[in-house]
Amino acid sequence: ELKVEQNPLFLSMQEGKNYTIYCNYSTTSDRLYWYRQDPGKSLESLFVLLSNGAVKQEGRLMASLDTKARLSTLHITAAVHDLSATYFCAVDPLGGGADGLTFGKGTHLIIQP
Amino acid sequence: EPEVTQTPSHQVTQMGQEVILRCVPISNHLYFYWYRQILGQKVEFLVSFYNNEISEKSEIFDDQFSVERPDGSNFTLKIRSTKLEDSAMYFCASSRDSASGANVLTFGAGSRLTVL
Repeated sequence: ELKVEQNPLFLSMQEGKNYTIYCNYSTTSDRLYWYRQDPGKSLESLFVLLSNGAVKQEGRLMASLDTKARLSTLHITAAVHDLSATYFCAVDPLGGGADGLTFGKGTHLIIQP
Repeated sequence: EPEVTQTPSHQVTQMGQEVILRCVPISNHLYFYWYRQILGQKVEFLVSFYNNEISEKSEIFDDQFSVERPDGSNFTLKIRSTKLEDSAMYFCASSRDSASGANVLTFGAGSRLTVL
């Protein structure tokens, strides 16, 4: 059974600080996704990482993938309040559109002024 | 921007009743999914649907659940006899052909189901 573990699960940080969220998974995969969820809202796609060493950046967020270590990171640079949300990583174990993604438990991020 | 639409946004039902949740996926997408999220917990895969049949389903998707694409646009999830533990937010999602290798799901806003 594929396991996807995120840490930390809860993170409270101040504006302007940097921090990293980690996502470990238990099976071979080179397809990893990051989603954002605001309270009571749906999931919004942030990043798609499709190969070992892939790095994607959007604004203050940067995601990377190390398939050998089965690890992805989501790095937040100089956090701002608007980034407060729950962040999920999800793994596509087999590739292809027919398979379900396995999500981590999510990292609930609170950024305080 | 194209979006996945879901109805109803919230449904309250009595235990044992049948519920149908409806979804209209993005029109040029080929893969359709249902996920659920119990309040405050992780998003769990229920079922995927491609070419008018179920592609994959999880252990959660037992005989009480069924999916259908009755008219080429709607994609429905039916729960035949709801239980208290079925209370959750149900998300529909769709994606395009994954020839590129990316399977980016676009999620709907969700249907909150409350079973009393």
